[in-house]
Amino acid sequence: KAGVTQTPRYLIKTRGQQVTLSCSPISGHRSVSWYQQTPGQGLQFLFEYFSETQRNKGNFPGRFSGRQFSNSRSEMNVSTLELGDSALYLCASSFGGDTQYFGPGTRLTVL
Amino acid sequence: AQSVSQHNHHVILSEAASLELGCNYSYGGTVNLFWYVQYPGQHLQLLLKYFSGDPLVKGIKGFEAEFIKSKFSFNLRKPSVQWSDTAEYFCAVNVLNTGGFKTIFGAGTRLFVKA
Repeated sequence: KAGVTQTPRYLIKTRGQQVTLSCSPISGHRSVSWYQQTPGQGLQFLFEYFSETQRNKGNFPGRFSGRQFSNSRSEMNVSTLELGDSALYLCASSFGGDTQYFGPGTRLTVL
Repeated sequence: AQSVSQHNHHVILSEAASLELGCNYSYGGTVNLFWYVQYPGQHLQLLLKYFSGDPLVKGIKGFEAEFIKSKFSFNLRKPSVQWSDTAEYFCAVNVLNTGGFKTIFGAGTRLFVKA
């Protein structure tokens, strides 16, 4: 089976812009979770989608949003980018939400 | 609030030394427990997991972890480390709440093994 794929792998944006990141889960997996990884904060949970519904949400501002499509692919959007949004954004998929399989991440740099 | 604590942020060992990485969590309900590993330049991989049953679980590459419910701990061990074990290790707890599963990660432990 192909693993979790994320696009793009690298992104450079400027403050105030918005960005959309994409994640394709492992075939058959219906749950997709998003995390922000930074050296200072570690892995912070953003949100989880299951069958197109957001089931869980972390403590991030409303600028961070996501959605999931009927084929389980998910997108994450960050509006009005801030310097502190520079991070590695990880997507993980699982069948039911427990054991997660991670993608390579999208490295976002905000200038 | 649920949280996961990893006791050591950086560990340096020589090859063949024994390894134990501590992990404690705070959550009173049923949990699933995981250790993930991130090798340099690679993405997070599952090392081992505990859902139920024998509290001593074995994972890949000779790693094992013991779940001690009374101590809310899930420590990772390896009797003899190799240079190739140099990586960052994350303990994670998966809790089931009304909204579904939520996974909380510890801050990670960077292990450096000297050849």
